[in-house]
Amino acid sequence: KAGVTQTPRYLIKTRGQQVTLSCSPISGHRSVSWYQQTPGQGLQFLFEYFSETQRNKGNFPGRFSGRQFSNSRSEMNVSTLELGDSALYLCASSQGTGERQPQHFGDGTRLSIL
Amino acid sequence: AQSVTQPDIHITVSEGASLELRCNYSYGATPYLFWYVQSPGQGLQLLLKYFSGDTLVQGIKGFEAEFKRSQSSFNLRKPSVHWSDAAEYFCAVGALLSGNTPLVFGKGTRLSVIA
Repeated sequence: KAGVTQTPRYLIKTRGQQVTLSCSPISGHRSVSWYQQTPGQGLQFLFEYFSETQRNKGNFPGRFSGRQFSNSRSEMNVSTLELGDSALYLCASSQGTGERQPQHFGDGTRLSIL
Repeated sequence: AQSVTQPDIHITVSEGASLELRCNYSYGATPYLFWYVQSPGQGLQLLLKYFSGDTLVQGIKGFEAEFKRSQSSFNLRKPSVHWSDAAEYFCAVGALLSGNTPLVFGKGTRLSVIA
């Protein structure tokens, strides 16, 4: 079974630009969560999507948004990029219903803002 | 609110020595607890999980963890560390049902292994 796939692996942008990151979950998984990982703040929850609906949201500004498609693939968008958005963005998928199942993580997208 | 504390930011052990990584959580109900490991440049890999039942759980790569409700702890242990265990380790806590609340992660403990 293929794991969680995130593209691209690396991205360099400049301040003020916008970026879209993609995540393909494990086949059959309907929940996709996004996290931002930085050395100072650790892993911070951004949002979770389940069946194309946002189910939970973390404490991030509105510049961070996401969506999920009918095939469970998810995209995350960050607009008006700031230097502080430089981070590793991780996507995790799980079955998402009933009793909690472990999340399975992709290798992340490393975003650098110049 | 849920919270997870990993008191040790960085630990160094000798290869072949035993290891214990500490995790304390704060949660109002029965927690679901996880340990993940992250190697440089990669995502998180699940080591083990605790849902209910036996409080000593076995995971992959020879790791085990013990849930102690009275101490609100879920410490990770390994009897003999290998150089390949050098990585960052994260403890996480979640609610019973998917979708209720997101997982909350600790800040991580970086493990270095010396010869």
